[in-house]
Amino acid sequence: DTAVSQTPKYLVTQMGNDKSIKCEQNLGHDTMYWYKQDSKKFLKIMFSYNNKELIINETVPNRFSPKSPDKAHLNLHINSLELGDSAVYFCASSLGLAGGGTDTQYFGPGTRLTVL
Amino acid sequence: GDSVTQMEGPVTLSEEAFLTINCTYTATGYPSLFWYVQYPGEGLQLLLKATKADDKGSNKGFEATYRKETTSFHLEKGSVQVSDSAVYFCALSQATGNQFYFGTGTSLTVIP
Repeated sequence: DTAVSQTPKYLVTQMGNDKSIKCEQNLGHDTMYWYKQDSKKFLKIMFSYNNKELIINETVPNRFSPKSPDKAHLNLHINSLELGDSAVYFCASSLGLAGGGTDTQYFGPGTRLTVL
Repeated sequence: GDSVTQMEGPVTLSEEAFLTINCTYTATGYPSLFWYVQYPGEGLQLLLKATKADDKGSNKGFEATYRKETTSFHLEKGSVQVSDSAVYFCALSQATGNQFYFGTGTSLTVIP
């Protein structure tokens, strides 16, 4: 069984469109994250939720809005897509609070977003 | 603020060579340290971790020792294989402040 799953795996869209990426974890974890990985493999945390509550909200454009309907799901909605949004987006989860000391993060397979 | 610095890549080695990927950190207190690995086309997965000074994390022949005196957590493997080709990320986590810091990643290619 997949621990952290994301859909879709690939997303190609035009500038100005709105799109969503879905993430689900079946590990029973309390905390979920969204990361953005650029073409140079640099990984940047965007958001973190703990039990549906926003914990980390890094400097990310308002066009990005996370939604956590329950603690097993954390979706990412992006409005008015721009060329610079092209990247691989990773969802992750951990047992405890974000940065909670010893907790391991479990990553999904990633969603490659290409904005044309 | 807290940060992690990794050696620049890419690194190319022949099979059975010795591997070292340097990682140093800046942090207050006593963070936990991690190495994650990202195989081509996949998400990151934990390779090993150490949660206190002088701890040694090990997995799949890889090792790293948490050295507080040198603020380092260098990754080593005695004999690399082609299947070790991946991007390796050093990371730091604090128990307070809800923060998790990744290094910039080091790409490793092992050639037969």
